Amino acid sequence: NAGVMQNPRHLVRRRGQEARLRCSPMKGHSHVYWYRQLPEEGLKFMVYLQKENIIDESGMPKERFSAEFPKEGPSILRIQQVVRGDSAAYFCASSTQGFTVTGELFFGEGSRLTVL
Amino acid sequence: QQQVKQSPQSLIVQKGGISIINCAYENTAFDYFPWYQQFPGKGPALLIAIRPDVSEKKEGRFTISFNKSAKQFSLHIMDSQPGDSATYFCAASIKGASKIIFGSGTRLSIRP
Repeated sequence: NAGVMQNPRHLVRRRGQEARLRCSPMKGHSHVYWYRQLPEEGLKFMVYLQKENIIDESGMPKERFSAEFPKEGPSILRIQQVVRGDSAAYFCASSTQGFTVTGELFFGEGSRLTVL
Repeated sequence: QQQVKQSPQSLIVQKGGISIINCAYENTAFDYFPWYQQFPGKGPALLIAIRPDVSEKKEGRFTISFNKSAKQFSLHIMDSQPGDSATYFCAASIKGASKIIFGSGTRLSIRP
């Protein structure tokens, strides 16, 4: 019964390149959330998706960032033309229903992006 | 209004002591208050949670105290152990909302 799987665990990109982070939710979970954690800071909400739908993207920067959760396959967080300020740990979490029903988000171990 | 303010930023406690982490909020619509624990290199994991209809919830050595009128809640770790050394995040959300709002975190170190 695997947990939330994120890959890659570590990613190094040069400024201007693209970063793609993948998240496979726990089996049976159809709700996915992406959070960003900057060094020495808390978790900042980015986006909430259900299969094929973006429910809330109020935390996503307006430019360069996008997310999807297709009918088949993992959720993907895509960052185009990365800049040094994008260096952070990106966490994916999943739940069976909206977390306010179940009370819990299950987090992956994160993808740590370093932009040179 | 959407913030959760957490203190202290870091905390050092002797083994066997009581660790106390405090959080405050402004939005009275918040109705779910979880605490998450994060070990280095790992993702956060739910530790304990409370809803505002109770003033205290205890699970083993971990207790949440909730003061609705003051809009504050705190985590108490009794008989703190070195294995409790981690970063702790308080959080809050509104029923039906699509996200949990996290505090800035407290790095707890338990000295043997």
